[in-house]
Amino acid sequence: AQTVTQSQPEMSVQEAETVTLSCTYDTSESDYYLFWYKQPPSRQMILVIRQEAYKQQNATENRFSVNFQKAAKSFSLKISDSQLGDAAMYFCGLNYGGSQGNLIFGKGTKLSVKP
Amino acid sequence: EAGVAQSPRYKIIEKRQSVAFWCNPISGHATLYWYQQILGQGPKLLIQFQNNGVVDDSQLPKDRFSAERLKGVDSTLKIQPAKLEDSAVYLCASSPITGSLYGYTFGSGTRLTVV
Repeated sequence: AQTVTQSQPEMSVQEAETVTLSCTYDTSESDYYLFWYKQPPSRQMILVIRQEAYKQQNATENRFSVNFQKAAKSFSLKISDSQLGDAAMYFCGLNYGGSQGNLIFGKGTKLSVKP
Repeated sequence: EAGVAQSPRYKIIEKRQSVAFWCNPISGHATLYWYQQILGQGPKLLIQFQNNGVVDDSQLPKDRFSAERLKGVDSTLKIQPAKLEDSAVYLCASSPITGSLYGYTFGSGTRLTVV
């Protein structure tokens, strides 16, 4: 079975500081993709960053970067220079099964940003 | 491009009543997903369509939930009869046929409250 675990229900960061959200996963697939989605109060899930499992290089999107440890099945999200608009729920996702696969999510981490 | 449209945004019904949700995916996206997100949890896949056909409905409670995607475009999700535990946000997402490897585009969801 494929699982995604987010062990931090809530996190808090000071504006302009850096925060890391943790995610571990389990899959027997060799080909899979990992994602971080942001869900603000508007409820719309917004793609933050994605990582192909076969790539060793960690993905980066502006202030967002990941630390992908394949052997440990760990996929953490680092947010640098945190902004008030970063406050939201963050969900780690695992897509397995190739182009016909589907995306499963962890329970989420609620991030608060203090001014 | 226009996003994934969902309606209604909110719905309150009594238990044992029926309810339907509507989703219009991004134009040209072959794959459409319905997710259920219970408060405090990550989204859980209910059903996945590719064009008109069902790819995965293994987690759809078929005794009360049904979904269809006529002509491979719009989709409706129906619950009949509703139970208290169906209170959740119902999210629709879409992706190009191979786009699932690049993340899905989500709508803003319908918040259902069953009283």
